[in-house]
Amino acid sequence: ETGVTQTPRHLVMGMTNKKSLKCEQHLGHNAMYWYKQSAKKPLELMFVYNFKEQTENNSVPSRFSPECPNSSHLFLHLHTLQPEDSALYLCASSQALLRDANTEAFFGQGTRLTVV
Amino acid sequence: AQSVSQHNHHVILSEAASLELGCNYSYGGTVNLFWYVQYPGQHLQLLLKYFSGDPLVKGIKGFEAEFIKSKFSFNLRKPSVQWSDTAEYFCAVKRRGSTLGRLYFGRGTQLTVWP
Repeated sequence: ETGVTQTPRHLVMGMTNKKSLKCEQHLGHNAMYWYKQSAKKPLELMFVYNFKEQTENNSVPSRFSPECPNSSHLFLHLHTLQPEDSALYLCASSQALLRDANTEAFFGQGTRLTVV
Repeated sequence: AQSVSQHNHHVILSEAASLELGCNYSYGGTVNLFWYVQYPGQHLQLLLKYFSGDPLVKGIKGFEAEFIKSKFSFNLRKPSVQWSDTAEYFCAVKRRGSTLGRLYFGRGTQLTVWP
């Protein structure tokens, strides 16, 4: 148990569906992240939020829409996805930090997404 | 662009064999370095980290890693592996002064240990 909880663990959705992934952290952190883990590829950073404000969108298609209502919760809204979007989506959090601080990221177990 | 290279995609060892997994990064500035492990069906867990100081870092479960700045390397080692070490191992680098908390990951190395 890392203190970062993701739901659901598995999700199968059609290309016309709308679904949402949820992440909750119980660590008192202020920064949260979405990563995508595809087979045979490095983890890809998708979005970064600090104190609920999005600080980075790593050129992610608009069919992925993040939402961070507070520092403890992070959502990823999914709409009209493609089969190539099938992957493990990981949420992470870290202590709010200045650019030079030493911190580490804590990861959730991920949501295994399959787009059919 | 920042990149992290893990040279071995799949390593297969017998129990009690020694392990070394390579990791090289391309950024020339100050970095924080990490090794994460992902056991089957589980979340990414931090194995060890280097922020500053002694370049030989000891982590959990008998793992250690050595930061060699001149070689831009942070190789992971364990003198004697166990069957329970079967997992995927990821090297990650954070550039000091970069966007907060952004980690650059390698592709991962799958370690299989035969009993």
